[in-house]
Amino acid sequence: GAGVSQSPSNKVTEKGKDVELRCDPISGHTALYWYRQSLGQGLEFLIYFQGNSAPDKSGLPSDRFSAERTGGSVSTLTIQRTQQEDSAVYLCASSSPSGGGESSYEQYFGPGTRLTVT
Amino acid sequence: AQSVAQPEDQVNVAEGNPLTVKCTYSVSGNPYLFWYVQYPNRGLQFLLKYITGDNLVKGSYGFEAEFNKSQTSFHLKKPSALVSDSALYFCAVRDGGKFYFGSGTKLNVKP
Repeated sequence: GAGVSQSPSNKVTEKGKDVELRCDPISGHTALYWYRQSLGQGLEFLIYFQGNSAPDKSGLPSDRFSAERTGGSVSTLTIQRTQQEDSAVYLCASSSPSGGGESSYEQYFGPGTRLTVT
Repeated sequence: AQSVAQPEDQVNVAEGNPLTVKCTYSVSGNPYLFWYVQYPNRGLQFLLKYITGDNLVKGSYGFEAEFNKSQTSFHLKKPSALVSDSALYFCAVRDGGKFYFGSGTKLNVKP
């Protein structure tokens, strides 16, 4: 079946511009996560959606970052007034809910969006 | 506070030798532990997980990991390394719905 997809795969933008990154999770997965991976670094948690619950935004680094998830499926991560330190690979992952059998809690990652702010 | 530590930035091993990639964790309550692998220019892939039950869990590509509660460790192991195992490996712990990842360990398997 189809995996997690992300678009665009690469984005180059000028400092100060806004960008939108899109994530299409695996159908039926109720949990969706956004992470940031800087060069040579681990994964930094940004935000987590679970079903219809309020998202956990505790990892968003500043109020320039926001995310929404429409209809419990597609998610968009928006970065306003981009800065050079925002340059990184942004990863999206989805997972099935607890009680979902053998694959419970396993995250399935998309290929990422490489963001470069010039 | 929840955290995951991978003390080695890089592990070098010869093909055919056993390999170990170390991970220790700190989390309140019972840990849900995971290993993921990231091959060059590819996304992260799930390898294995420990939720409950047997402390030795087996996963993809011949990898296994041992949960040690007293040492709060979840080291990744493979009896015989392959050159194709060369990649970046991440340990993660799930707590309250969120996942905390280690900084990653680069595994180099030399022919």
